[in-house]
Amino acid sequence: DTAVSQTPKYLVTQMGNDKSIKCEQNLGHDTMYWYKQDSKKFLKIMFSYNNKELIINETVPNRFSPKSPDKAHLNLHINSLELGDSAVYFCASSLGVNQPQHFGDGTRLSIL
Amino acid sequence: QKEVEQDPGPLSVPEGAIVSLNCTYSNSAFQYFMWYRQYSRKGPELLMYTYSSGNKEDGRFTAQVDKSSKYISLFIRDSQPSDSATYLCAMSAPLRGNNRLAFGKGNQVVVIP
Repeated sequence: DTAVSQTPKYLVTQMGNDKSIKCEQNLGHDTMYWYKQDSKKFLKIMFSYNNKELIINETVPNRFSPKSPDKAHLNLHINSLELGDSAVYFCASSLGVNQPQHFGDGTRLSIL
Repeated sequence: QKEVEQDPGPLSVPEGAIVSLNCTYSNSAFQYFMWYRQYSRKGPELLMYTYSSGNKEDGRFTAQVDKSSKYISLFIRDSQPSDSATYLCAMSAPLRGNNRLAFGKGNQVVVIP
């Protein structure tokens, strides 16, 4: 059973489009995260939700909007995609804030 | 100065050698320290988690934290080719009304058979 699952695994789309990435965890964790990993493998936190409440909101363009319909899901919607948005986006979850995180296998986003 | 500094490597060692990795940080509020291993095209997986200064051992892995020097280390004994991966340090701090979380850039390790 996959603990943290992201869909889709690959996303190829054109500049200017709007797309969503979904994340679900079946670990019963309270905290979920979105990260961006660039081509140099640098992993940067974007958002974190604890019990559906936003607790980390890093400096990210407001074209990126997270949504947490319940504790087990954290989706990421991106408007007006740009070339610089090409990266691997990772979802993660943890039992609580400051606890070790379990990562999904990433969504590889390529902007044409 | 970056919040978390980690030399990206790559680091090549012969099989059986000890791998030594480290990170330095500038934010003294960090209290929780983690090491993750990431294989190609996979998500990071947790190796070690600690929240106090000192050593923590788990099998061939030892994590060291020195809060006074703002320095953390990961040692891998008897390294195997399967240890070839990117290793990321991470740290977090509970802050009033928010939470601070930062990763190092990752250190690529290659263990040569």
